[in-house]
Amino acid sequence: QQQVKQSPQSLIVQKGGISIINCAYENTAFDYFPWYQQFPGKGPALLIAIRPDVSEKKEGRFTISFNKSAKQFSLHIMDSQPGDSATYFCAASEVDYKLSFGAGTTVTVRA
Amino acid sequence: NAGVTQTPKFQVLKTGQSMTLQCAQDMNHEYMSWYRQDPGMGLRLIHYSVGAGITDQGEVPNGYNVSRSTTEDFPLRLLSAAPSQTSVYFCASQGVGNQPQHFGDGTRLSIL
Repeated sequence: QQQVKQSPQSLIVQKGGISIINCAYENTAFDYFPWYQQFPGKGPALLIAIRPDVSEKKEGRFTISFNKSAKQFSLHIMDSQPGDSATYFCAASEVDYKLSFGAGTTVTVRA
Repeated sequence: NAGVTQTPKFQVLKTGQSMTLQCAQDMNHEYMSWYRQDPGMGLRLIHYSVGAGITDQGEVPNGYNVSRSTTEDFPLRLLSAAPSQTSVYFCASQGVGNQPQHFGDGTRLSIL
């Protein structure tokens, strides 16, 4: 049973549009919530991460929104570009080195 | 900087064979982990290590062994391969103090 539930499984967005990926968790002991980006044939790479003491974190076109009471967090990709086409994984952990991953979302950005 | 290096990149085994997946990191990271990635299931933690000589089980440890004799190396052993172990295996390393996990490019393993 996955500790982090991720949706949607895939999405298609036009260039310049907004991609939104949602994740939910049950374990209230989780205190670290990273997002990873993975290109075909490569390992995941950290994109952005948040701790539960803040409700939002923005890095460039990527924003994490965090709702502690609802036990949900989401990734927003603004002004989506074809180079953003990849698989995105949310994750959560109690200690930094033991990550529980969501199932992944494949994002396709159409030019 | 090589980062996290995994070998081999591809491997085909027959049921019952054994093999070792190699993982090496050159960042002097204390933490190392092995994950398997299967379609629709994300990455699942197999085993992890918080330092040389210390290992522990993750979410899906059955059928796999690990050891950590040096800081740099963290091999994963399949003692008797089964078709259910067909997967992509990723090794990761992480420094202490809120550092990100760095992943290798994976080993794609098929068991017939």
